[in-house]
Amino acid sequence: DVKVTQSSRYLVKRTGEKVFLECVQDMDHENMFWYRQDPGLGLRLIYFSYDVKMKEKGDIPEGYSVSREKKERFSLILESASTNQTSMYLCASSFYRSGLGTGEQYFGPGTRLTVT
Amino acid sequence: SQQGEEDPQALSIQEGENATMNCSYKTSINNLQWYRQNSGRGLVHLILIRSNEREKHSGRLRVTLDTSKKSSSLLITASRAADTASYFCATAAGGGSNYKLTFGKGTLLTVNP
Repeated sequence: DVKVTQSSRYLVKRTGEKVFLECVQDMDHENMFWYRQDPGLGLRLIYFSYDVKMKEKGDIPEGYSVSREKKERFSLILESASTNQTSMYLCASSFYRSGLGTGEQYFGPGTRLTVT
Repeated sequence: SQQGEEDPQALSIQEGENATMNCSYKTSINNLQWYRQNSGRGLVHLILIRSNEREKHSGRLRVTLDTSKKSSSLLITASRAADTASYFCATAAGGGSNYKLTFGKGTLLTVNP
C-alpha cells in the first residue's frame, strides 16, 4: 500500500512565524504536490516537484516555498505565516508515464493549520 | 485555474439508490480521474479513465467519458451510508505541463440510511 504521511494533523501557529509542513511518501514516486483546500474553493495547487531539487509553481505560490532534497520528502514552508493561510494542507504523490500523463495521486491525511 | 466543474454541488439520496455526478472540463486531457474525500480527511483515488476510453467500471462505480462534449459522469450503484463523502473529478491536461491534476470543487453526496 502506498503511504503518504504528513508531519502533523493539526497545527496552530502565530502570525509571522515560519512554518514547516513535511510530507513523506514511500512509493518512489517522481512527482509530489502541495495543495490547500478551502470551503467553496476546492483544491488549489501551491507547488509541485517532478524530481529531486526540481520545483514548479502551482496556481497560488505566493507566500509559500518548497524544498525537495530527497525523493521521498517534500516540504512546504510558510516564510511568515499570515491569518489568510489558515487552511487544510494536503500533500500528494504520483508517478508519471509518457502517453498516460500523470497517474493517480496518493494523498496524505492533511494538516489543518490555524494561524492566529 | 479550475478546469473540472462537478454538478450537482450537493446530492442527497436514500440508501440503495443510485447516485450520478457529472464533471465538465474545458481543454484537452490525457486522462480524467475521480476521487473521494471523507470529511476532514485526505482524498482517495477511485478510478482513472484515459482520453481514448469511453467507459470504465470498478465495483459499484461506473465512469463514462465523452471527449466531444468534454464531460464525464460517475455513477455509484446501490449506494450505502458509507458512500457519504465529497467526490471530485480531476483532469490531467494534454500537451506540455502534464505533471499535475486540476481538481473541480466537488459534489457532496449524502446517503441517508
